[in-house]
Amino acid sequence: QLQLQQSGPGLVKPSETLSLTCTVSGASMTSTNFYWGWIRQSPGKGLEWIGNVLFNGDTSYNPSLKSRVSMSVDTSKKHFSLKLNSVTAADTAVYYCARHVGLYDSSGYHLYFDYWGQGVLVTVSS
Amino acid sequence: QSDLTQPASVSGSPGQSITISCTGSINDVGSYRYVCWYQQYPGKAPKLVIYDVSRRPSGISDRFSGSKSGNTASLTISSLQPEDEADYFCSSWTTSSTWLFGGGTKVTVL
Repeated sequence: QLQLQQSGPGLVKPSETLSLTCTVSGASMTSTNFYWGWIRQSPGKGLEWIGNVLFNGDTSYNPSLKSRVSMSVDTSKKHFSLKLNSVTAADTAVYYCARHVGLYDSSGYHLYFDYWGQGVLVTVSS
Repeated sequence: QSDLTQPASVSGSPGQSITISCTGSINDVGSYRYVCWYQQYPGKAPKLVIYDVSRRPSGISDRFSGSKSGNTASLTISSLQPEDEADYFCSSWTTSSTWLFGGGTKVTVL
């Protein structure tokens, strides 16, 4: 059973860099069928896709955050990471990591997030 | 790109059916079958209940069903149960190769 365990500080100062890591257990990271994604949820609000990273380092980012985001993956340590720089109070949110599925089977092509981490509340405050 | 539009709340009595709408545009819901629905309990991570507009992951009750017409997708929960009380979010792949999410709908079981 795949599990995603998130880690990282819960408090970040304005203008600094938010850094989170998601450790994968129970499944291989090195498949072209799976990207590894980050999604956030501001307090009392909806979900916002931040971006995805593939095991080879290929990334895709939300255009609204692209200038401040970077994602990386370390398959030897079985984890992937998110960095968001120049944070403000508007970046305060619960951050989730998730497995993004993109695969063909007998019924066609499928895209969805299936497994999610537990979520980490990151507060931006001085 | 704007969020997908969902009603803020929907309610129903046990045993009834409810439907949650998710309205997007030709650039997302209207272009692909890659529409998903997630169920979220307070303080918990979202859980996939529908993908590809109408497919259910293994282990999801057949009381959950999805459909799409034009730029609007819908999630129907039939035979409403107390445990269905949660927030529900839709999402859609877009022509920009990004994901959009809805603002979420709070389902209340009366």
